[in-house]
Amino acid sequence: KAGVTQTPRYLIKTRGQQVTLSCSPISGHRSVSWYQQTPGQGLQFLFEYFSETQRNKGNFPGRFSGRQFSNSRSEMNVSTLELGDSALYLCASSDPGGYNEQFFGPGTRLTVL
Amino acid sequence: QQQVKQSPQSLIVQKGGISIINCAYENTAFDYFPWYQQFPGKGPALLIAIRPDVSEKKEGRFTISFNKSAKQFSLHIMDSQPGDSATYFCAASKGGTASKLTFGTGTRLQVTL
Repeated sequence: KAGVTQTPRYLIKTRGQQVTLSCSPISGHRSVSWYQQTPGQGLQFLFEYFSETQRNKGNFPGRFSGRQFSNSRSEMNVSTLELGDSALYLCASSDPGGYNEQFFGPGTRLTVL
Repeated sequence: QQQVKQSPQSLIVQKGGISIINCAYENTAFDYFPWYQQFPGKGPALLIAIRPDVSEKKEGRFTISFNKSAKQFSLHIMDSQPGDSATYFCAASKGGTASKLTFGTGTRLQVTL
């Protein structure tokens, strides 16, 4: 099976802009989670989607949003970008059956100038 | 509030030696404890995971030891190899699934020849 894919891999934006990141889960996986990774804060949970519904949410401002499509692909959006949003954004997919282990993609490196 | 504390921050081990990374958690509701390995430019990869109904789990050279009363768990890498040089993260979640992982701060392991 192909792994989790994320596009784009790298992105440069300026403050105030908005950005959309995309994630395609492993075939058959219906749950998609998003994490932010920074040197200062480490890996932090953003949100989880299952069957097109947000099932869990982390402690991030409303500028961070996401959605999931009927084919389980997911997008996350960050509006009004701030310098502190520069990070590696990781997507993880899982199969809700069994132990629901999270399998991560390679991430999208977002730089905000 | 950091709910999962990981130590050490960095570790240098000689080839063939044992690498030991420790984590402590605060939330007694956590019931799933995975370890992830991350190489530069890659997303975290699931190494091994444990649930609190067992005190130890071994997969190849990797062993998790779990102490429920002390709220601690550790990763042991036996016969450490240069290819094991990576950053290791412990994590925890609750509710019987791997969703909404809370990560430790990471340990950068370097295995020298």
